Amino acid sequence: DQQVKQNSPSLSVQEGRISILNCDYTNSMFDYFLWYKKYPAEGPTFLISISSIKDKNEDGRFTVFLNKSAKHLSLHIVPSQPGDSAVYFCAGSSGYSTLTFGKGTMLLVSP
Amino acid sequence: DADVTQTPRNRITKTGKRIMLECSQTKGHDRMYWYRQDPGLGLRLIYYSFDVKDINKGEISDGYSVSRQAQAKFSLSLESAIPNQTALYFCATRASGDDQETQYFGPGTRLLVL
Repeated sequence: DQQVKQNSPSLSVQEGRISILNCDYTNSMFDYFLWYKKYPAEGPTFLISISSIKDKNEDGRFTVFLNKSAKHLSLHIVPSQPGDSAVYFCAGSSGYSTLTFGKGTMLLVSP
Repeated sequence: DADVTQTPRNRITKTGKRIMLECSQTKGHDRMYWYRQDPGLGLRLIYYSFDVKDINKGEISDGYSVSRQAQAKFSLSLESAIPNQTALYFCATRASGDDQETQYFGPGTRLLVL
């Protein structure tokens, strides 16, 4: 049973445009959501997070939106840059200090 | 210098061999985790530890064991490696006072079991 689902394995976007990465979850006990970025041959790096009591969190070019009623969150990257090309993982935390990850979405930003 | 280091970075071993992957951190975090990543499956939690005397099983602990030798060191062992344990293994750390649940990952160990 997948508690965190990233249904798009890949996404291609042109430089300067918006990238939207989606994530759905089934566990109502998640109280924090995080996005991680992973480059090849490196470990995942933390990107941005959002508490379940909020519906939006913004950090520079990155914004995460949370729709609790739909159990859906999305990561917006504006404007997209070629250096943003990576695999993006969505994760949920239920307060037990463990993270449940989705399968990831590979983003390719072309010049 | 990296805050979370993993050794070895790459390892090839044979079925039935015992192998240990090591993780060290200089972040001073009390919580440490081991994950594996398989193509198309994302990251799955193997074991985690909240302090030196605390060890907990994760989603996929069968075939693995861990040891928390010190606050800064957390090792993962495969007692008798099998080919379906071929994967990318990541160690991560987290500070217990971090209410954002942020975990910091090492660079990974690529393991191939023949």
